[in-house]
Amino acid sequence: GAVVSQHPSRVICKSGTSVKIECRSLDFQATTMFWYRQFPKKSLMLMATSNEGSKATYEQGVEKDKFLINHASLTLSTLTVTSAHPEDSSFYICSASRAGGYNEQFFGPGTRLTVL
Amino acid sequence: GQQLNQSPQSMFIQEGEDVSMNCTSSSIFNTWLWYKQDPGEGPVLLIALYKAGELTSNGRLTAQFGITRKDSFLNISASIPSDVGIYFCAGQMYYGGSQGNLIFGKGTKLSVKP
Repeated sequence: GAVVSQHPSRVICKSGTSVKIECRSLDFQATTMFWYRQFPKKSLMLMATSNEGSKATYEQGVEKDKFLINHASLTLSTLTVTSAHPEDSSFYICSASRAGGYNEQFFGPGTRLTVL
Repeated sequence: GQQLNQSPQSMFIQEGEDVSMNCTSSSIFNTWLWYKQDPGEGPVLLIALYKAGELTSNGRLTAQFGITRKDSFLNISASIPSDVGIYFCAGQMYYGGSQGNLIFGKGTKLSVKP
């Protein structure tokens, strides 16, 4: 149990376009979902935390108008990179946490975004 | 922000050898977690530790939550080629009855000679 999927796994887009990445918890209800960004050979950097039905909480330095997060249901969160630029190219990883227990985070397989 | 010191940064060992890596923090944590990340994939949870002093095993992996709550180690016994990857430690703290964010170490890259 506790499987998290992401779609797409890879995306290449032109500069100036917007890209949506989906994160789904497949076999549990995720009260909280997290979005991370990872640069090559670096650790995961938390971008924002989203709770179902409420606005996301963004980490310092992350532009909320640039990275739109929607957590519309207990199994789906989306991250939209608006007006993407080459510097937005990165590996984006989501994780999901379920209510109760120790609130462990289960990670998705990641999405590789390349902006040309 | 908070950071974890994870060492070593990389290791290159012979198959069959034991491996040890550790994380230290200037702050205390309620939870220590160890993840493994393969290239192009998300992190996969290996071991979760919830009590100071706790020693937990998962197959050939053993991890301990330090008594001071500021450190943790991960051991891999009899390493095999599929152990290659990047291992991350992560600490987590309770704030006001709910879990805080995960704080990740910078990773230990493990390479194994077949």
